[in-house]
Amino acid sequence: SAVISQKPSRDICQRGTSLTIQCQVDSQVTMMFWYRQQPGQSLTLIATANQGSEATYESGFVIDKFPISRPNLTFSTLTVSNMSPEDSSIYLCSAETVYEQYFGPGTRLTVT
Amino acid sequence: RKEVEQDPGPFNVPEGATVAFNCTYSNSASQSFFWYRQDCRKEPKLLMSVYSSGNEDGRFTAQLNRASQYISLLIRDSKLSDSATYLCVGDYNAGGTSYGKLTFGQGTILTVHP
Repeated sequence: SAVISQKPSRDICQRGTSLTIQCQVDSQVTMMFWYRQQPGQSLTLIATANQGSEATYESGFVIDKFPISRPNLTFSTLTVSNMSPEDSSIYLCSAETVYEQYFGPGTRLTVT
Repeated sequence: RKEVEQDPGPFNVPEGATVAFNCTYSNSASQSFFWYRQDCRKEPKLLMSVYSSGNEDGRFTAQLNRASQYISLLIRDSKLSDSATYLCVGDYNAGGTSYGKLTFGQGTILTVHP
């Protein structure tokens, strides 16, 4: 199994600012991902965080808005840049092991 | 059209009832399917994988029909603790390689009442 922690757990930010979310896994994993869960909706994949190379973004998400780092096999960050109220959401990271994909507890972001 | 579509729900059932959730998918490149459970204000957690042959885990039975691109989850003898949102999930892969990119359905809310 994998235990995933995220920081911060929640934040309230002003529009135009940026927030970096940290994701730590308790074991080395090859695949890490970032998802967004907007209020009342299901999860949408933002990007795959690749270790040692640029993240792979899904349609509708771009690096300038959601820069991602993956410096090693246990850690990744997601930055939400130049925030607007539409970015208010829960951001979850996940890690895939041989058996299943585990999710972090999420970061609840409110942009005012 | 969404890649994974679920019964909209919500489902409200009494304890002990049997409830079934259905899900369809449109991306034939999705080779693996799962049911995840998400409790209120919590992260999703894997409930069970879904296989073509059907698989059972205690009170839960999952079935995949590739011809109809249809997935189901059956819960027997519902418990109060089964109340949650159930997410139908596909794992996109191509050429037998899993990319780990999960596509989630919108979720079905289940409430089990005394």
